[in-house]
Amino acid sequence: EAGVAQSPRYKIIEKRQSVAFWCNPISGHATLYWYQQILGQGPKLLIQFQNNGVVDDSQLPKDRFSAERLKGVDSTLKIQPAKLEDSAVYLCASSLESRGWVNTEAFFGQGTRLTVV
Amino acid sequence: AQSVTQPDIHITVSEGASLELRCNYSYGATPYLFWYVQSPGQGLQLLLKYFSGDTLVQGIKGFEAEFKRSQSSFNLRKPSVHWSDAAEYFCATHTGKLIFGQGTTLQVKP
Repeated sequence: EAGVAQSPRYKIIEKRQSVAFWCNPISGHATLYWYQQILGQGPKLLIQFQNNGVVDDSQLPKDRFSAERLKGVDSTLKIQPAKLEDSAVYLCASSLESRGWVNTEAFFGQGTRLTVV
Repeated sequence: AQSVTQPDIHITVSEGASLELRCNYSYGATPYLFWYVQSPGQGLQLLLKYFSGDTLVQGIKGFEAEFKRSQSSFNLRKPSVHWSDAAEYFCATHTGKLIFGQGTTLQVKP
């Protein structure tokens, strides 16, 4: 079974530039998460989708970050304009939702390491 | 609001020694609890999970964790640590959304 695919693996940009990350979840997984992981910290949830609807985006800095999940499959996360403090690893994860939350195990991609200079 | 606390930022143990990593959660009802491991440059890998039932759960790589409702804890244990266990360990809870603790870095001395 293919895992969660993310691209690119690494990205270096200058501050005020824009950047986009792509995620392809495991086939059939309805829930998709984007996390930001700053060095030395735990992953911070940015946005959670169920199919193509947003479940939670309370910690997404909406003035510069945006995310979409077209057709409930692939997702993109965009930052525009980037700031130095956006340097982090951006992780995508997916899970198979079912009644009773039995299958809430999340599978993670390798992440995209973003460096803003 | 749900939250997870990992009190120990960094732990060093000798190879072959036992290990316990602490995790405390904050949530009104019984949450779903997880332990993930992250090796350098890698994504997160699930070690074990607790949904309900037996409070002692077994995971991969010889890890186990015990859910204690009275202490709001879900500590991770391993009887004998191997050098390859050196990594970052994250406790997480799922009550509608998956929230992680700050992580504990495990260093293993030869």
